[in-house]
Amino acid sequence: DAKTTQPTSMDCAEGRAANLPCNHSTISGNEYVYWYRQIHSQGPQYIIHGLKNNETNEMASLIITEDRKSSTLILPHATLRDTAVYYCIVRAPEGGNLIFGKGTKLSVKP
Amino acid sequence: GAVVSQHPSWVICKSGTSVKIECRSLDFQATTMFWYRQFPKQSLMLMATSNEGSKATYEQGVEKDKFLINHASLTLSTLTVTSAHPEDSSFYICSATRQGAPPFGSGTRLTVV
Repeated sequence: DAKTTQPTSMDCAEGRAANLPCNHSTISGNEYVYWYRQIHSQGPQYIIHGLKNNETNEMASLIITEDRKSSTLILPHATLRDTAVYYCIVRAPEGGNLIFGKGTKLSVKP
Repeated sequence: GAVVSQHPSWVICKSGTSVKIECRSLDFQATTMFWYRQFPKQSLMLMATSNEGSKATYEQGVEKDKFLINHASLTLSTLTVTSAHPEDSSFYICSATRQGAPPFGSGTRLTVV
């Protein structure tokens, strides 16, 4: 079973920041938090991942709480093309498969 | 970045026939690949783990004789849906292990008529 819980859906206005929360209260000390997104009828696309420090790349920022029990993915300036299902996943560093929960369906509206 | 190529993107087949889906790692070697299935409005469900040079490991409830997996090289894994039936119609997606985040293929839409 997925070790994360996310809201089912969220709306965001185009150009505004989208903040997607994720709870992972049972995360182990060596498990990373990964974020992927899936646009309709495509394979999942990697966004970002982190262990305990906040991370930023060209796509998004990842904020992980100090106790690591939750995190937030931030899309700083959402566009219509960011409409997708966003998955938050915890995974051990030694590899293994990614177990997907239900994700959050983000709808970016004009 | 690491790319996983999946082929075909979509396929329509008649009930009772077999369909083969290919998953290739284009710029890296993958000792392990994963096969997922996704039904409409649902999340990805892991079907099996494909290991190069050895038998695949199937998740509970997935019939190994129906979903044949071959991982004969470090860059290619294939999933064959044998004697396909309409209930096998789904979106099949592969992924591969590598250093860092696992990349995914673009998926194969299978429709059995």
